[in-house]
Amino acid sequence: ETGVTQSPTHLIKTRGQQVTLRCSSQSGHNTVSWYQQALGQGPQFIFQYYREEENGRGNFPPRFSGLQFPNYSSELNVNALELDDSALYLCASSLSTSGRAHEQFFGPGTRLTVL
Amino acid sequence: AQSVTQLDSHVSVSEGTPVLLRCNYSSSYSPSLFWYVQHPNKGLQLLLKYTSAATLVKGINGFEAEFKKSETSFHLTKPSAHMSDAAEYFCVVSVTGYSTLTFGKGTMLLVSP
Repeated sequence: ETGVTQSPTHLIKTRGQQVTLRCSSQSGHNTVSWYQQALGQGPQFIFQYYREEENGRGNFPPRFSGLQFPNYSSELNVNALELDDSALYLCASSLSTSGRAHEQFFGPGTRLTVL
Repeated sequence: AQSVTQLDSHVSVSEGTPVLLRCNYSSSYSPSLFWYVQHPNKGLQLLLKYTSAATLVKGINGFEAEFKKSETSFHLTKPSAHMSDAAEYFCVVSVTGYSTLTFGKGTMLLVSP
């Protein structure tokens, strides 16, 4: 059984650029959640995707957007990068049944640095 | 709205001594509570979970936590620390099962020989 994988592991961008982060969910999982973990902080919920639709969103601006594909993998896109977007971005996959989510399994994260 | 407060940013123990990591929660509804551990350069791992069943919850690697509604606490304990326990620990609350997780700021556990 393959766990949650994320790519790339590290990324350096400059202010104003756009970035795409990728996540492959664990086999059998249909739900993906994204979190931002700034240095010295706990992860903060960005949004969740279920059946290719956004299924909940945290307090992040619209320049943070996502996609979920038919194979349940997912992308996080961030436009107009700001210095404060520098963080570890975590993806978590889970199985949702009858609208109820089960345990989330986390990937190792993508470290984004904005210069 | 829900939130968690981890009362210590750092906890230092000697190997073989007990571990106590403190967490208080706030929730408008009956919460689900979790403890996750994060080792350097590794993903978050679920240690244990409380979802309205037994108030004393046993997790992996000898950790356990007790849900105390009257004190709105969910402290994590272990009788005897091991060097491999050194990591960052997060207390997490959810009011929608596992759906949306709200993390505390974390407690760094340091274990000395």
